[in-house]
Amino acid sequence: EVQLVETGGGLIQPGGSLRLSCAASGFTVSSNYMTWVRQAPGKGLEWVSVIYSGGSTYYADAVKGRFTISRDNSKNTLYLQMNSLRAEDTAVYYCARGLVGATPFLDYWGQGTLVTVSS
Amino acid sequence: DIQMTQSPSSLSASVGDRVTITCRASQSISTYLNWYQQKPGKAPKLLIYAASSLQSGVPSRFSGSGSGTDFTLTISSLQPEDFAAYYCQQTYSILGMFGQGTKVEIK
Repeated sequence: EVQLVETGGGLIQPGGSLRLSCAASGFTVSSNYMTWVRQAPGKGLEWVSVIYSGGSTYYADAVKGRFTISRDNSKNTLYLQMNSLRAEDTAVYYCARGLVGATPFLDYWGQGTLVTVSS
Repeated sequence: DIQMTQSPSSLSASVGDRVTITCRASQSISTYLNWYQQKPGKAPKLLIYAASSLQSGVPSRFSGSGSGTDFTLTISSLQPEDFAAYYCQQTYSILGMFGQGTKVEIK
């Protein structure tokens, strides 16, 4: 059974750093593309970052230069390193598995972890 | 970046109603369009991929159509468990932007 479990969220002051983890089971993280999506309180879904099976990474403009996506193949875990955090980064962060069939889509999602950036 | 615009942003409907949600892309995305359902406090759930393919386990009352820039999600007969938010997502470009969402509420 495919499962994704995010951890690492919490309350952090503006300018601080936080690392989110997404532990995967039932499949191999490095064989798929993996995505981070966030949702600010009461708002819609916002695509944040992707890492492809080959290791290429991409970021939304809002986080480029501050966030880094990575994975540890030995732990089958995805990460999101978040630096220089701002109030507008406050959100529930979801990791999701991507599949590429006829077109790419996100078929499994974690339960999310809440990041609150506030002084 | 490709922008996705959904309409309406919210709607009220009754059980048994036929509901249609539209999603428009700022440029042609072929059929690189997915639909997700999200209930309060829960993670999104994939409903439709490649514009019209039903994800395994999703009830057949959900259907998707469209290509190019205009897409539609239809619920043929709204059920109590369908009251939720719905999001479209394009995966034509690497930055897989979502629409702003449509909240389906009980009339």
